[in-house]
Amino acid sequence: QKEVEQNSGPLSVPEGAIASLNCTYSDRGSQSFFWYRQYSGKSPELIMFIYSNGDKEDGRFTAQLNKASQYVSLLIRDSQPSDSATYLCAVSGNQFYFGTGTSLTVIP
Amino acid sequence: DAGVIQSPRHEVTEMGQEVTLRCKPISGHDYLFWYRQTMMRGLELLIYFNNNVPIDDSGMPEDRFSAKMPNASFSTLKIQPSEPRDSAVYFCASSISGVGEAFFGQGTRLTVV
Repeated sequence: QKEVEQNSGPLSVPEGAIASLNCTYSDRGSQSFFWYRQYSGKSPELIMFIYSNGDKEDGRFTAQLNKASQYVSLLIRDSQPSDSATYLCAVSGNQFYFGTGTSLTVIP
Repeated sequence: DAGVIQSPRHEVTEMGQEVTLRCKPISGHDYLFWYRQTMMRGLELLIYFNNNVPIDDSGMPEDRFSAKMPNASFSTLKIQPSEPRDSAVYFCASSISGVGEAFFGQGTRLTVV
C-alpha cells in the first residue's frame, strides 16, 4: 500500500468552477499535510499546508483535513486557466511522502 | 536566499558512465531530501539527511546509487554505472524540520542513452 494515494486524473473543470482534489494517507502518525502545485517542467511549489482537523482557507484555496478518516482535500474556487497544473499531496511524519499527483485542466 | 540550487539542470550521458548530481540546500535547513520523478512512478524519495547524516536510504533503488553530504551546504547524488532506466528528473529539497515545508530545487533532468 502506498503511503499517500491520489486520483491521477486528469481532472477537467470549466473556468470559474470549483475544482476538488482528494488525497488519503496510511500513516496515522502523520503530523503535517501539504499541497504542492507543479507546472509542467517546473519544480513543485507549496500552495497550502494544514496541521489541524478542519478547514483552512487562503484566498481561492481551501484545504480540508480529517485525521479520523485519514483524508486531505484541496478545493480551488473560481478556477482559472492558470491553475492548470499537477497537484501533489504530501504528508510528513518522520519524512515526506508524496502522492503521484492529480493533473488539473481548467478549460476557458 | 537563492533557494535550493541544483546542478547541472540537464545531463545527457551514455549508458555505463558515472553521473554526479549536486545540491546546495537553503542555509539553516537541517534536512535535505533527494527525490526522483518519472511519469510512471511520480515523486519518489530516494534518501534524506538530517544534519548531514543519512537517515533513511531505503528508497535508493540499488547499489549503483550513492549519496553524500560532506557538509551542511553541499550534497551529491552519484549513479555509477548509469542505465537508461535511470532517466528521470532528480529533485533536491531542503527543510528546516522534518515536518515543515520542503523547498525544492529546479531539478536535474537526466537522460541516459
